[in-house]
Amino acid sequence: QKEVEQDPGPLSVPEGAIVSLNCTYSNSAFQYFMWYRQYSRKGPELLMYTYSSGNKEDGRFTAQVDKSSKYISLFIRDSQPSDSATYLCASQKVTGRRALTFGSGTRLQVQP
Amino acid sequence: DTEVTQTPKHLVMGMTNKKSLKCEQHMGHRAMYWYKQKAKKPPELMFVYSYEKLSINESVPSRFSPECPNSSLLNLHLHALQPEDSALYLCASSQEVLAGVETQYFGPGTRLLVL
Repeated sequence: QKEVEQDPGPLSVPEGAIVSLNCTYSNSAFQYFMWYRQYSRKGPELLMYTYSSGNKEDGRFTAQVDKSSKYISLFIRDSQPSDSATYLCASQKVTGRRALTFGSGTRLQVQP
Repeated sequence: DTEVTQTPKHLVMGMTNKKSLKCEQHMGHRAMYWYKQKAKKPPELMFVYSYEKLSINESVPSRFSPECPNSSLLNLHLHALQPEDSALYLCASSQEVLAGVETQYFGPGTRLLVL
């Protein structure tokens, strides 16, 4: 079992829709959770991160972590064609090995 | 400024060639990383440098040789690669902290094709 699981999609939505992207993780040592956006043939771009449980909002993006169910979510409101990309969730431990553990990425297509 | 730069953007090499990938950051980060990313897959960690010392080698074949000449630069020397090594090679950096989140910032990558 992978430590971070993510539905690869593709996910296709109309412009203006609310998008929900999700990951699950299995390692209880993970305390930090990041979302990266990666456009085709580009490097991943950090969108936001959260610590432990709770919500974090940044503009049209909201990241949510539910530690009790080991569930990570990213919501995109009023989705735009420019949001079309692959979204990678990643997890990190508090101490010790700090390297990121990535999910497989979800490819999102927002149709104009 | 959260920029990590990588050169070259594209590289084509034969299996007998020797080439190098370069990465640079000026954010004062003391941890630098090399990742390999195949199409439609997440980045896979290859090497981690912490304070210019190699701290993690994910059992990468010796045909890949990392080097960290100083705190701002990271190189990846390539020699006798195989076609299956063709991929996007990503460099990342982060601020080393004893505790707390270490957010990694990625460069745009070098797209490598081995013929």
